[in-house]
Amino acid sequence: KAGVTQTPRYLIKTRGQQVTLSCSPISGHRSVSWYQQTPGQGLQFLFEYFSETQRNKGNFPGRFSGRQFSNSRSEMNVSTLELGDSALYLCASSLGLAPRSSYEQYFGPGTRLTVT
Amino acid sequence: GENVEQHPSTLSVQEGDSAVIKCTYSDSASNYFPWYKQELGKRPQLIIDIRSNVGEKKDQRIAVTLNKTAKHFSLHITETQPEDSAVYFCAASPRADKLIFGTGTRLQVFP
Repeated sequence: KAGVTQTPRYLIKTRGQQVTLSCSPISGHRSVSWYQQTPGQGLQFLFEYFSETQRNKGNFPGRFSGRQFSNSRSEMNVSTLELGDSALYLCASSLGLAPRSSYEQYFGPGTRLTVT
Repeated sequence: GENVEQHPSTLSVQEGDSAVIKCTYSDSASNYFPWYKQELGKRPQLIIDIRSNVGEKKDQRIAVTLNKTAKHFSLHITETQPEDSAVYFCAASPRADKLIFGTGTRLQVFP
């Protein structure tokens, strides 16, 4: 079974631009979560989608948005990029939504975004 | 608010020694505590987890302990090996659909 895939793997953008990242979950998984990973901040939760609906949201500004398609693939969009948005963006898929103890999250390889 | 504190941020040990990473959570409703290992350039992977009705869980050289009263849990790695070198993240689930991660511990095992 193929793992979680993310595209692109690397991205360089300039301030003010927008970016769209893509995540394909493991086949059969319906939940996709997005995280921002920066040195010293660990994994910061962005949002989670399940059955095309956003079910959870972290403490990020409205510039960060996402969506999920009927095939469970998810996209994350960041508008008006800032230097501080440079990070590794990880998505994780799981079979279900809750409880967390019942469904292991499988992470993708991440998209490394650099904003100059 | 909900947060998970993790210490230390870096840890260096000699091969064969033990390593202990500690996490403290704020929400007493948390009932699930997974640990993830992220090797350099790779994705985080679940290595062990513990539920609130259990005080300790072992899997070969790794173990996790939970103290619900004190609201802290720890990862113990015995007989460390160079391949244990990675960043380790703890996490706590304050409600069924949420997972809060700690800031990570970079473990280096020197041969």
